[in-house]
Amino acid sequence: EAGVAQSPRYKIIEKRQSVAFWCNPISGHATLYWYQQILGQGPKLLIQFQNNGVVDDSQLPKDRFSAERLKGVDSTLKIQPAKLEDSAVYLCASSHQETQYFGPGTRLLVL
Amino acid sequence: AQSVTQLDSHVSVSEGTPVLLRCNYSSSYSPSLFWYVQHPNKGLQLLLKYTSAATLVKGINGFEAEFKKSETSFHLTKPSAHMSDAAEYFCSGAGSYQLTFGKGTKLSVIP
Repeated sequence: EAGVAQSPRYKIIEKRQSVAFWCNPISGHATLYWYQQILGQGPKLLIQFQNNGVVDDSQLPKDRFSAERLKGVDSTLKIQPAKLEDSAVYLCASSHQETQYFGPGTRLLVL
Repeated sequence: AQSVTQLDSHVSVSEGTPVLLRCNYSSSYSPSLFWYVQHPNKGLQLLLKYTSAATLVKGINGFEAEFKKSETSFHLTKPSAHMSDAAEYFCSGAGSYQLTFGKGTKLSVIP
């Protein structure tokens, strides 16, 4: 069974630029999550989708972050404009019941 | 709401000696609890999960965890550490299909 796929794996941008991350969940998993993991901390949930609907985006900084999952399968997370403090690893996960399976993450560095 | 606390930010053991990584949970109901491992530059890998079946849960790579309701604990153990166990370990609790992560425990294994 293929795991959660994410791209790109690494991204370096300058502040105020925009960036987008892509995630393809495990086939058949209806729930998809985006997390932000700052160095030295545990992952923090940004947004949770159930199929193509948003379940929880209470911790998503909506002035600069957006996410979509138009067809209920793959998803994109966008940051526009990026700030220095957005430097982190962005993890995508999908779940079957309560068990979440994580992708390798995208490491973002904002200069 | 579900929350977890990892009691040690860093644990160092010698190769071949036992590993103990501590996690306490706080929940008003029977929780679902997980341990994940994260190797450098990798995503999170599920080690094991507790979902109110057996209190002693066996995971991958020789790890196990015991759910103790009286102590509100879910500590991770392994009888004999291997060099490949050096990584960051996250305890997490589930509620409403969302995970709350502890801050992580970095395990170092000394040859």
